[in-house]
Order: sequence, then C-alpha cells, then structure tokens
Amino acid sequence: EDQVTQSPEALRLQEGESSSLNCSYTVSGLRGLFWYRQDPGKGPEFLFTLYSAGEEKEKERLKATLTKKESFLHITAPKPEDSATYLCAVQAGTGGFKTIFGAGTRLFVKA
Amino acid sequence: KAGVTQTPRYLIKTRGQQVTLSCSPISGHRSVSWYQQTPGQGLQFLFEYFSETQRNKGNFPGRFSGRQFSNSRSEMNVSTLELGDSALYLCASSPTGGSPEAFFGQGTRLTVV
Repeated sequence: EDQVTQSPEALRLQEGESSSLNCSYTVSGLRGLFWYRQDPGKGPEFLFTLYSAGEEKEKERLKATLTKKESFLHITAPKPEDSATYLCAVQAGTGGFKTIFGAGTRLFVKA
Repeated sequence: KAGVTQTPRYLIKTRGQQVTLSCSPISGHRSVSWYQQTPGQGLQFLFEYFSETQRNKGNFPGRFSGRQFSNSRSEMNVSTLELGDSALYLCASSPTGGSPEAFFGQGTRLTVV
C-alpha cells in the first residue's frame, strides 16, 4: 500500500537551533516528492519538488534532499517565523497519477 | 496574478443537507484538485479535474462529487451531509494535468451540526 510517513509529529526548537524533518515513503512509480508549508487557517504553500535520488533544493533557510526511500527538510538557524506545519507529499503512479500527503510535522521555533 | 480563490470561506450546515463549494483556479491553470483536511486524517485526495474531465478519484463515497466548467472553475458537492464531513476543504490548481507544482487556495471550513 502506498504510504507517506513524516517524523517527528512535532518539533520544538530554539531560534538558531538547526534540525531536520523526515519524510519516508513507500509508493509504486514515484513521479515526484513535494514539500509544503502550512500556516494555521491557510492552504499549503508550495516549497520544493524533488524528482530523483540525490537531488537537492534550497530556499532561504530550508534545504530539501531526496534518497530512494526518504526525504529530509533541513532547517538552518530557524527563526520564529519558520513556525508552521511542514507537509510532505508524493505523486505516484503511471498513467493516472495520485498525490499522497503525509500527516505533517508541526514546527515551533521559540525566540 | 490572482491566486486560487475558494468560496465560501466558512459554512455551517445541518446533517442531511447538501453543500456546494466553489474554486476558481489561477488564470491559465487547467487542472483542479480537491482535498479534505481533518486533524485525524490529514490531507486526503478527493478528485482531480482537467479540461472538464475527472482524471483521478480518491477513496471517498459517492456523496462527494465534482465538476469543472469550460473556464476551469470547479465545484465540489457533498450530499446527505454527515457529522464526519466537517473539515477544511482545499482546492489546488496546476498549469497542466500531472504538473507537480500545485497552488492551494485558503480552503472552505465546513462544519456539519
């Protein structure tokens, strides 16, 4: 069964304390892996797409990496405004594709 | 460039009623997907429309249906509402069917009482 698992469920960091979020997946025919950020009461905001193992993408304090079984979202020197839920999703299948989201990691960054 | 617009933002309905939600995608985007988000189940895929045709469907009962118009605007309908249908319903648009970059609207918060 296709599955996306994110860990940890919640992460509390001090401002400036770097860390990583994990997204592991089991799918057939991976087309792409996406990271989104979601603030309370809002829709998810697109961050990155990764297509193949070894690929990396960066945006400000965020860096996403991909292996054959998992992806990491590294947050370097986070600020309070980075507090949000980070969602991982995979798009899989051949012909008709489907998108499967993980449950998300809630990140809290304290000043 | 305007983003994805969902209306209404908030809705309260009674069990057994039906509801229609609307989504206007980003101009030029032809693919619209719908998701249900709840605290317990997270984001779950409902269906995707491309050029007025349903291309993919998630594992939801037939009470959940949708359609897309020639201008790419989409509507989602839920009939015979149940308490468990209370959720944030999100619409996402992308330029073409199969595009990995989807842009989400603010969502419609549906409460069934």
